[in-house]
Amino acid sequence: DIQMTQSPSSVSASVGDRVTITCRASQGISSWLAWYQQKPGKAPKLLIYAASSLQSGVPSRFSGSGSGTDFTLTISSLQPEDFATYYCQQANSFPRTFGGGTKVEIK
Amino acid sequence: EVQLVESGGGLVKPGGSLRLSCAASGFTFSSYSMNWVRQAPGKGLEWVSSISSSSSYIYYADSVKGRFTISRDNAKNSLYLQMNSLRAEDTAVYYCARVGTGRSLDYWGQGTLVTVSS
Repeated sequence: DIQMTQSPSSVSASVGDRVTITCRASQGISSWLAWYQQKPGKAPKLLIYAASSLQSGVPSRFSGSGSGTDFTLTISSLQPEDFATYYCQQANSFPRTFGGGTKVEIK
Repeated sequence: EVQLVESGGGLVKPGGSLRLSCAASGFTFSSYSMNWVRQAPGKGLEWVSSISSSSSYIYYADSVKGRFTISRDNAKNSLYLQMNSLRAEDTAVYYCARVGTGRSLDYWGQGTLVTVSS
């Protein structure tokens, strides 16, 4: 199985800050990576697919990069509504696996 | 508008069974693969199972293999998860999700809570 390791597990940031979250796969997954945002009590929401493609309706301050084993989600200017938990997921092979999550908290 | 609505969750004793349903609308259900994903209280997301559009390809997480069965009825626009031999560690919110571009999960239901406890 492919293990997905996210870092950091949590980050404290202020509105307007640039935030970067990293996801590392235990083996190469090409660009088969997605990023999701989840707020408490809500279902996850797709932000990025195929490592760097922005899902329709998602603000352009979100961006994704990487291929192979190392991936990054960047929020260019953190907004109040962005405080949430973020997950990466590999879609290269079964079983699909998620990263452990990164909680973005208010500083 | 794409909608996925799960139902069938509840309280069940260890060793018991439960069948979850996911009603889909707003898209051509028969054209999409579907997944189940779960989230234990206070924990992260765990992929559970996947079924292709025509049910030809089915996959399970090792943690549920042999106990859970995924199925679909394209005529009824519905996805199912039959859960047998339930354990306390199966306690979670269960989400159904559509597989979209790049094999991502582009639409999710609101989730249904399954609690396994005596």
